[in-house]
Amino acid sequence: AQRVTQPEKLLSVFKGAPVELKCNYSYSGSPELFWYVQYSRQRLQLLLRHISRESIKGFTADLNKGETSFHLKKPFAQEEDSAMYYCALSELGGGADGLTFGKGTHLIIQP
Amino acid sequence: ETGVTQTPRHLVMGMTNKKSLKCEQHLGHNAMYWYKQSAKKPLELMFVYSLEERVENNSVPSRFSPECPNSSHLFLHLHTLQPEDSALYLCASSQGTSSGELFFGEGSRLTVL
Repeated sequence: AQRVTQPEKLLSVFKGAPVELKCNYSYSGSPELFWYVQYSRQRLQLLLRHISRESIKGFTADLNKGETSFHLKKPFAQEEDSAMYYCALSELGGGADGLTFGKGTHLIIQP
Repeated sequence: ETGVTQTPRHLVMGMTNKKSLKCEQHLGHNAMYWYKQSAKKPLELMFVYSLEERVENNSVPSRFSPECPNSSHLFLHLHTLQPEDSALYLCASSQGTSSGELFFGEGSRLTVL
């Protein structure tokens, strides 16, 4: 069975400080990893996916198969980054019907 | 209106009531999903429809009954629910089921008394 663990329910950092949201997964096959974000009063939306290797809004995430991790990082946090962040996993190429979500981390950026 | 729209946004019902949640997507997608979001639990996939045919059930109790009359509309019919069914029900759509990118609605907050 696949599982996604986000160990931090809440993470609070000051503006300008580095941010790292942790995500660990358990999966026996070839995983595809995603980060979804939900800003206040907005709907849940895709932030980035590991196969794209993109930096979105200054965030990056690298899939580390050895450590089974997909941590989300940003070198300098901004107040508008405050949101709920969800890590998700599916079989590589398996798509949305196999997505498993973590419980989410509430990121608060303090001024 | 664009995107994924859910109605009603809030619903309070008794355990003997019958109600329905509605979802409509204006993105031209051909796959639609129902998710349940409870406090302290991760998002749980309930149902998946691809090309209007149900492809996944995930062992959801029969008191939840989905309906997908066409690729743009998805319903979740509710009857004889339990208080533990109180949650935020999210609808999502995607272009096919092979993409991991879901487009979510704002959700329907359900309270069962």
